[in-house]
Amino acid sequence: QKEVEQDPGPLSVPEGAIVSLNCTYSNSAFQYFMWYRQYSRKGPELLMYTYSSGNKEDGRFTAQVDKSSKYISLFIRDSQPSDSATYLCAMSAYNTDKLIFGTGTRLQVFP
Amino acid sequence: ETGVTQTPRHLVMGMTNKKSLKCEQHLGHNAMYWYKQSAKKPLELMFVYSLEERVENNSVPSRFSPECPNSSHLFLHLHTLQPEDSALYLCASSYIPGQRSYNEQFFGPGTRLTVL
Repeated sequence: QKEVEQDPGPLSVPEGAIVSLNCTYSNSAFQYFMWYRQYSRKGPELLMYTYSSGNKEDGRFTAQVDKSSKYISLFIRDSQPSDSATYLCAMSAYNTDKLIFGTGTRLQVFP
Repeated sequence: ETGVTQTPRHLVMGMTNKKSLKCEQHLGHNAMYWYKQSAKKPLELMFVYSLEERVENNSVPSRFSPECPNSSHLFLHLHTLQPEDSALYLCASSYIPGQRSYNEQFFGPGTRLTVL
């Protein structure tokens, strides 16, 4: 079993849709949960970060962590064509430099 | 230059060639990383340098040889590669754990490597 599972997509939605991206994980030691966005021909950039369980909102983006289910989500409201990218979840245990990544979900938002 | 830069952006090499990838970070970080990104696979951590000391080598074949001469520069020396080594090679940097509560890694744009 992989430590982190993420549906690779692709996911294609119309502009304005609500997008839900998800990852599951198996390691209960993970404390930090991150979402990276990677545009074509670019490196990943950190989009959202959450510590332990709970929700975090930043503009149109909401990150949710449910540690009891080992499940994390990223919601994008009012999706825009500029949101078209690959979204990678990543997680780590406390005080470690090792990030464990999912495979990434490719999202396309069409006008 | 800002952030993390990588050169070259694209590299095509034969199996018998020797080449090097270069990474430079302008963020004042003290940890640097090499990752391999292949289609439909998670990012694979290859090497970690913390305060210029190698702290992790994830069973990477010896045809990949990293070098970290100082906290701002990281190299990946390549020799006698195989076609399956074709991938996007990403460099990242961060503060070492303990200096921040979580490990936010900043990535460069990557080098697209093709091995013929």
